[in-house]
Amino acid sequence: GAGVSQSPSNKVTEKGKDVELRCDPISGHTALYWYRQSLGQGLEFLIYFQGNSAPDKSGLPSDRFSAERTGESVSTLTIQRTQQEDSAVYLCASTQRLAATGELFFGEGSRLTVL
Amino acid sequence: GQQLNQSPQSMFIQEGEDVSMNCTSSSIFNTWLWYKQDPGEGPVLLIALYKAGELTSNGRLTAQFGITRKDSFLNISASIPSDVGIYFCAGPYSGGGADGLTFGKGTHLIIQP
Repeated sequence: GAGVSQSPSNKVTEKGKDVELRCDPISGHTALYWYRQSLGQGLEFLIYFQGNSAPDKSGLPSDRFSAERTGESVSTLTIQRTQQEDSAVYLCASTQRLAATGELFFGEGSRLTVL
Repeated sequence: GQQLNQSPQSMFIQEGEDVSMNCTSSSIFNTWLWYKQDPGEGPVLLIALYKAGELTSNGRLTAQFGITRKDSFLNISASIPSDVGIYFCAGPYSGGGADGLTFGKGTHLIIQP
């Protein structure tokens, strides 16, 4: 498709379960980001992939969070043993030339609710 | 890390009113960006500022890059219902060699009928 695609759009899970969130970036975009948006907290950086370089994982809040990206395509964010405080909207973004334009292209997000 | 402080946190205005919001930083930025998030959508870039003192317009939106490089302002003139949403300021993220953006917590714009 033309834009960043995320799935699922909504996910309700029980505390302690694992969840996987998927992101399909815009074709040709080498950089991919995951952000978390909690109520009243703005956009919290989680992890960044750039081409074949080692990802920047400095924003991951705990070792229950991990992410993978296959080449310059799909990325999966995995949250293990979910907790209620993990409830948030998880946004994926991609770009080709952030340094030049400052523009990130966001998906619609995956809303996670942990009961 | 870098912190961006946005104010106000929320605004309740009437249609047709002008809107002003601002963003300050604890450190200098070389780029200031303003994004808008519509309900249920991801943020979209509105305006990008690359030079201190720069004033840039995009339709009814005007943004300025502060002279100190530690602040930026966004104004919306003659607000309309579709202006409702969350407005985020953003600047280049620094840390660990990463190339990304730090976002403020957002200003929620609500237009009362």
